[in-house]
Amino acid sequence: AQTVTQSQPEMSVQEAETVTLSCTYDTSESDYYLFWYKQPPSRQMILVIRQEAYKQQNATENRFSVNFQKAAKSFSLKISDSQLGDAAMYFCAYRRMFQGAQKLVFGQGTRLTINP
Amino acid sequence: GAVVSQHPSRVICKSGTSVKIECRSLDFQATTMFWYRQFPKQSLMLMATSNEGSKATYEQGVEKDKFLINHASLTLSTLTVTSAHPEDSSFYICSARASERGNTEAFFGQGTRLTVV
Repeated sequence: AQTVTQSQPEMSVQEAETVTLSCTYDTSESDYYLFWYKQPPSRQMILVIRQEAYKQQNATENRFSVNFQKAAKSFSLKISDSQLGDAAMYFCAYRRMFQGAQKLVFGQGTRLTINP
Repeated sequence: GAVVSQHPSRVICKSGTSVKIECRSLDFQATTMFWYRQFPKQSLMLMATSNEGSKATYEQGVEKDKFLINHASLTLSTLTVTSAHPEDSSFYICSARASERGNTEAFFGQGTRLTVV
C-alpha cells in the first residue's frame, strides 16, 4: 500500500520569506500523481499544485513550486514571498494513475503559520 | 475549478438518531464520489468510494451498516450516519470526480461538522 509522510507537524515563516514543506512517499508504481492541498481555517480543501510522476519538470503555480525527486520519493513544496493568506494546514497526497482504486492517500499534514 | 456543495455545513443531533449529509456536484457529472472523516488536527481518512449506480466500496474498519452511502445520480451522493453516537462526532468531507480514472481532478465540498449530543 502507498504511504505519504509529512515529518513537519508545524512550520512558521516570516511574511515575504520563503518556506519549504517536506513530503516523502512510498510506492512500487512508476506512474502516479502527487498533490499539495491547502486547508485554511474554513476547512475547504484547495488544490495548490499537482505533479505527474512521468514529468521530469517540476510543477510551478505562481509563488508555489515543487521539488520532485522521483528516485528519492520526495515531493517538497516551496512557497515564495509568503503571505498571511498562506496560513493553513498543508497536505501532501498521492494518487495512482492507472490500475486499482484511484483514491487520494494523504499525509499527516503540516500547519503553516505566517508571522507578520 | 468545479463546484462541489455539501449540506448541511453544521448539524447537531441527538444520540440514537440518524443524520443525512448531502454532496452535490453543481456544474459537472460526478461518476465517483469519496467520503472522508477528519478528526481535529488530523488528516483526512477515506471512509468509502462510491460510483454512480453501484454499491459503495468501504475502507477497512468502516462500518458500512452505520455509514450508509447512496450515489443514486451523477450529481448527488449522500452519507447517512445511522444511530449516531457521540464518538461519531467529527468533520465529514466529500469530494467528487468526473470519472473514476484518468487525468481528472477531485473537487472537495466545504465539509460538514457533525456533533452528536
